[in-house]
Amino acid sequence: AQSVAQPEDQVNVAEGNPLTVKCTYSVSGNPYLFWYVQYPNRGLQFLLKYITGDNLVKGSYGFEAEFNKSQTSFHLKKPSALVSDSALYFCAVRYTDKLIFGTGTRLQVFP
Amino acid sequence: EAQVTQNPRYLITVTGKKLTVTCSQNMNHEYMSWYRQDPGLGLRQIYYSMNVEVTDKGDVPEGYKVSRKEKRNFPLILESPSPNQTSLYFCASSHNAAGVNTGELFFGEGSRLTVL
Repeated sequence: AQSVAQPEDQVNVAEGNPLTVKCTYSVSGNPYLFWYVQYPNRGLQFLLKYITGDNLVKGSYGFEAEFNKSQTSFHLKKPSALVSDSALYFCAVRYTDKLIFGTGTRLQVFP
Repeated sequence: EAQVTQNPRYLITVTGKKLTVTCSQNMNHEYMSWYRQDPGLGLRQIYYSMNVEVTDKGDVPEGYKVSRKEKRNFPLILESPSPNQTSLYFCASSHNAAGVNTGELFFGEGSRLTVL
């Protein structure tokens, strides 16, 4: 079955430190992968995507994600976290003209 | 400003009292969709529409209805709400199915519904 897993409900990181939010997927064929961010009381916003090409993709707000086909992973990363990055992050994969979302990971960046 | 607008943002109702959550987009998008967000379950698709007068069930359509009479509007109807429909609801739109395939979904700010 097509699915996305975000194994961590919450990730805590100190401001200035690097952050990683994990995502693994299961989908037939070539995956189209996405990260969205949800700030409090707001809708989801698109961050970045992998369709094809370079395994390291860059997105908004200094975020990047690395596609690893052998590990079926698409982890979100940022070299230096900001307090303002604190939000709920969703990984998603395309499946037959719709997106399947993971359960979300809450990122908390402490000053 | 390009946006997806949902109303109401917050609603408390009682079991069995019909309600409608409206969704409107001003981007001339063909594709529209409704999701519900529940803790530990992420976002699950309720219904979607590829274009006017075309609607299809998503993963959790039971207890919901939709209509797409105009391109800009995609209301979500709960004919007889039950407590298990207490959730945070999001409307989203995209230019077309290709836009969905490339992740270009635009979300409204959400409607928090409580059914007592």
